[in-house]
Amino acid sequence: ETGVTQTPRHLVMGMTNKKSLKCEQHLGHNAMYWYKQSAKKPLELMFVYSLEERVENNSVPSRFSPECPNSSHLFLHLHTLQPEDSALYLCASSQDFLKTGQAFFGQGTRLTVV
Amino acid sequence: DAKTTQPPSMDCAEGRAANLPCNHSTISGNEYVYWYRQIHSQGPQYIIHGLKNNETNEMASLIITEDRKSSTLILPHATLRDTAVYYCIAGPMKTSYDKVIFGPGTSLSVIP
Repeated sequence: ETGVTQTPRHLVMGMTNKKSLKCEQHLGHNAMYWYKQSAKKPLELMFVYSLEERVENNSVPSRFSPECPNSSHLFLHLHTLQPEDSALYLCASSQDFLKTGQAFFGQGTRLTVV
Repeated sequence: DAKTTQPPSMDCAEGRAANLPCNHSTISGNEYVYWYRQIHSQGPQYIIHGLKNNETNEMASLIITEDRKSSTLILPHATLRDTAVYYCIAGPMKTSYDKVIFGPGTSLSVIP
């Protein structure tokens, strides 16, 4: 157990559905992250929250919408996804966002878009 | 962030030391070397990091060359549960939304 918990572990959704991924940490960390890991590809950083404020991001499609209501919880809201969005979505946290190299990862949510 | 280069795969006999190399010849003075591993279908697990000096913890040792252009992660007594992809990263991984943060890594297979 890393102290970072993600739910659900597996999710199957249709392209017209709306779903949310949840991440929770009680490590006292100030920074939380969403990563995407597609099959046979390296991890891709999607979003960073530092002290509940999102660091600017220009490259992730708007069908992914993060939310960080407090320093312990992070959500990834999903809507009108495409089959190519099927991947392992990983949440991580670190003491602060300048120390991402010491991040602790959750087990991930395996998302399948049908 | 400095680019890192690792061999794509390695084998190691169970009980022997696994030595995983990483090249980071463009590393700058304030960048650390971090190692993570990812066991199949699980989230990455932090292993160790270092700046200049060699480091050791309960999981592994990190040997960094004097010129800091390369490093070696050592698992002193590899077990079957150490079979994973090992990622070497030269940070700090700060703020930019570079798509690739973790490279392909080295797939380590520990053989009985």
